[in-house]
Amino acid sequence: GQNIDQPTEMTATEGAIVQINCTYQTSGFNGLFWYQQHAGEAPTFLSYNVLDGLEEKGRFSSFLSRSKGYSYLLLKELQMKDSASYLCAVNDYKLSFGAGTTVTVRA
Amino acid sequence: DSGVTQTPKHLITATGQRVTLRCSPRSGDLSVYWYQQSLDQGLQFLIQYYNGEERAKGNILERFSAQQFPDLHSELNLSSLELGDSALYFCASSVATPTDTQYFGPGTRLTVL
Repeated sequence: GQNIDQPTEMTATEGAIVQINCTYQTSGFNGLFWYQQHAGEAPTFLSYNVLDGLEEKGRFSSFLSRSKGYSYLLLKELQMKDSASYLCAVNDYKLSFGAGTTVTVRA
Repeated sequence: DSGVTQTPKHLITATGQRVTLRCSPRSGDLSVYWYQQSLDQGLQFLIQYYNGEERAKGNILERFSAQQFPDLHSELNLSSLELGDSALYFCASSVATPTDTQYFGPGTRLTVL
């Protein structure tokens, strides 16, 4: 089966940095995705890690350690528009999603 | 805009009824995926089609079925609807395999009364 864990909620201040952790135990692994989802809207693709290490994309970075079953998404220079749910999804020839982490950015 | 379209945006119906949700993938994408998102269950994979054929199945109920047509659009049919089927239903598409990035449509919000 699939077990994907993320914190439920995080709060941070505008301009700060937040790190969202994701741990997983899955029967197979072909990479890990991070998606952003604003309430009532579609998930939008942020990043994809298939090999260990850090992938950087502007203000967003994602890290993967396959041996530890661990990933994190790092959001830098937080803006109010970054308030959203962040979904970790493991690719096992189908996407299994974590429950999501709701990030609230305060002024 | 992801390039994936879904209709209708909202659907309100009664228990016991049947509805059809429609999805058109991004141009060039051969795979279509359906997901259900409810408040207590998160985003759940239902089913995948690739170039007209069923490729993978998730936690899809027997009352639900889907198909992908030759023009690659897909339909998700939900029958004998129950209150618990109320949810957001998303369609996503990718070039071919699930290792390709999936792009999500805007969703259909289904309310069963």
